[in-house]
Amino acid sequence: DTGVSQDPRHKITKRGQNVTFRCDPISEHNRLYWYRQTLGQGPEFLTYFQNEAQLEKSRLLSDRFSAERPKGSFSTLEIQRTEQGDSAMYLCASSLLASGGGVEQFFGPGTRLTVL
Amino acid sequence: AQSVSQHNHHVILSEAASLELGCNYSYGGTVNLFWYVQYPGQHLQLLLKYFSGDPLVKGIKGFEAEFIKSKFSFNLRKPSVQWSDTAEYFCAVNINYQLIWGAGTKLIIKP
Repeated sequence: DTGVSQDPRHKITKRGQNVTFRCDPISEHNRLYWYRQTLGQGPEFLTYFQNEAQLEKSRLLSDRFSAERPKGSFSTLEIQRTEQGDSAMYLCASSLLASGGGVEQFFGPGTRLTVL
Repeated sequence: AQSVSQHNHHVILSEAASLELGCNYSYGGTVNLFWYVQYPGQHLQLLLKYFSGDPLVKGIKGFEAEFIKSKFSFNLRKPSVQWSDTAEYFCAVNINYQLIWGAGTKLIIKP
């Protein structure tokens, strides 16, 4: 399967612990995005990379959140000192930068985080 | 701030009924528009998209959507729904680098 993959699919942690999620995009895609989705809402943008450069971070992303894409391929999203409000589905998407606009994003299955 | 509104959070229809899901966005510039679908237990999948050209776009599984620029709308339609269309449907607007999403509409089709 050459789609976007995410690991783990589910994570349960205690408040105050650190967690790290991984996303493997479609191999030729140079853009990678992280979103968060809570029940009853659409996804909310967190951050995105073009190759290894993190070009934008949402104001939703507190200092406890950090994302990396060290070699322009896979990406990790780390949440430090988790809080119960961090419980959500974390989605990764990738796309191929196209000239002239019109960029379609392909989504992974998500990582569901539960903070107890 | 830019936003996307989906008018119906829950819709229940019988098989063969016609479907229209509303989507409005607030942004005055050029936009790319999408409808994504999430079937139970599956990840988000693209249903259809509008980038430019003909404002009536056709997607997979018999879905279509019409972009009406003057109304800032991108409504999703299907003339005859099937039980397998039960899913959650999201409208999204691509502004610069990010997608801004509506809250979603849960569609239940009664067999």
